[in-house]
Amino acid sequence: DIQMTQSPSSLSASVGDRVTITCRASQSISNYLNWFQQKPGKAPKLLIYAASSLQSGVPSRFSGGGSGTDFTLTISSLQPEDFATYYCQQSYSTPWTFGQGTKVEIK
Amino acid sequence: EVQLVESGGGLVQPGRSLRLSCTASGFTFGDYAMSWVRQAPGKGLEWVGFIRRKAYGVTTEYAASVKGRFTISRDDSKSIAYLQMNSLKTEDTAVYYCTRIIVVVTATPDYWGQGTLVTVSS
Repeated sequence: DIQMTQSPSSLSASVGDRVTITCRASQSISNYLNWFQQKPGKAPKLLIYAASSLQSGVPSRFSGGGSGTDFTLTISSLQPEDFATYYCQQSYSTPWTFGQGTKVEIK
Repeated sequence: EVQLVESGGGLVQPGRSLRLSCTASGFTFGDYAMSWVRQAPGKGLEWVGFIRRKAYGVTTEYAASVKGRFTISRDDSKSIAYLQMNSLKTEDTAVYYCTRIIVVVTATPDYWGQGTLVTVSS
């Protein structure tokens, strides 16, 4: 199975900050990497697919990058509604696997 | 508008069975693969499995933790995906989400239902 490791597990940031979350795969997954945002009590929401493609309707302050084993999710200017938990997920091979999550909290 | 609505969750004893349904609307159900993802209380996301569409043989893939106990099926005429869960264990307690899968470069769960809670306890 491909292991997905996110860092950090949590972070505190202020509104307006630039935030970067990293995701590392245990083997190369090309660009078969998705990012999701989840708020408490809600279903996950797709932000980025294929490592760097912005899902329709997602604000442009979100961006994704990377390929192979190392990926990033960047929020260019953190907004109040962005405080949530973020997950990466690989669909290169089954079983699909998720990172453990990164909780973004208010500083 | 794409909508996915899960139903069928509840409290069940270990060793018993439960069937979840995912009713879809707002898109041509038969044109998409569908998946199930679960989340134990306070934990992260875990892929359960998916079912391909008819053009790909309606074949299925499962996580090792549920293989042989869970079965995913679909009824394209009703736009419903099912998750049949047998021999339930306490560690199957989770919110179960169904998702639509799109394939643009990579397979991606793009729309998610609101989830249904399954509690396995005696």
